[in-house]
Amino acid sequence: EVQLLESGGGLVQPGGSLRLSCAASGFTFRNYHMNWVRQAPGKGLEWVSFIADDGSGPHFADSVKGRFIISRDNSNNRLFLQMDSLRVEDTATYYCARAGVFTRGNYRFWPFFDQWGQGTLVAVSS
Amino acid sequence: EIVMTQSPATLSVSPGERATLSCRASQSVGSNLAWYQQKPGQAPRLLIYGASTRATGVPARFSGSGSGTEFTLTISSLQSEDFAVYYCQQFKNWPPLTFGGGTKVEMK
Repeated sequence: EVQLLESGGGLVQPGGSLRLSCAASGFTFRNYHMNWVRQAPGKGLEWVSFIADDGSGPHFADSVKGRFIISRDNSNNRLFLQMDSLRVEDTATYYCARAGVFTRGNYRFWPFFDQWGQGTLVAVSS
Repeated sequence: EIVMTQSPATLSVSPGERATLSCRASQSVGSNLAWYQQKPGQAPRLLIYGASTRATGVPARFSGSGSGTEFTLTISSLQSEDFAVYYCQQFKNWPPLTFGGGTKVEMK
């Protein structure tokens, strides 16, 4: 069974830092691209960041670019999100999400999010 | 950035009835569209990818259709466990990956 278990959330003051972690099990982690997606309280879903299976090609939403860093440890099946210079508007539940890929004909299409963790809450407030 | 617009924001449906949810993209995304279901207090769950392919374990009453800029998620006969919020997401042109604002399916 695929499992994604986030940790590291909590209450932090504006300008502070947090490091989120996602422990993956039940699949070959090093073969999958991964993402972070967040959801502010009572709001919709917002993609935050992507990292390729080998750790290359990180991408970020403009709202977090320059403040967040995504990384992974394929030896220990973990995904990370280092969040610096946190703002009140970063308050959200952060989900670790595996990237799905599908093939149609000779083409591969990705990423959508085929597996999700239960989320970890980050609250930024003074 | 591709903007995804879902309608209606809220859909009131009785159990056993058909529910039709719409998702529109600001530019063509081909078939690079996914649908998710989210129940209160839970993580989202993948329902549909490639605009029309059901994810593993998703009941046949859920179907997706459309391509380009107009997409539909249909729940053929609503069950009690289907009352939830539904999101569409495009993965044609990214970053950023973008979601619609969601449609809440509530009991009539």
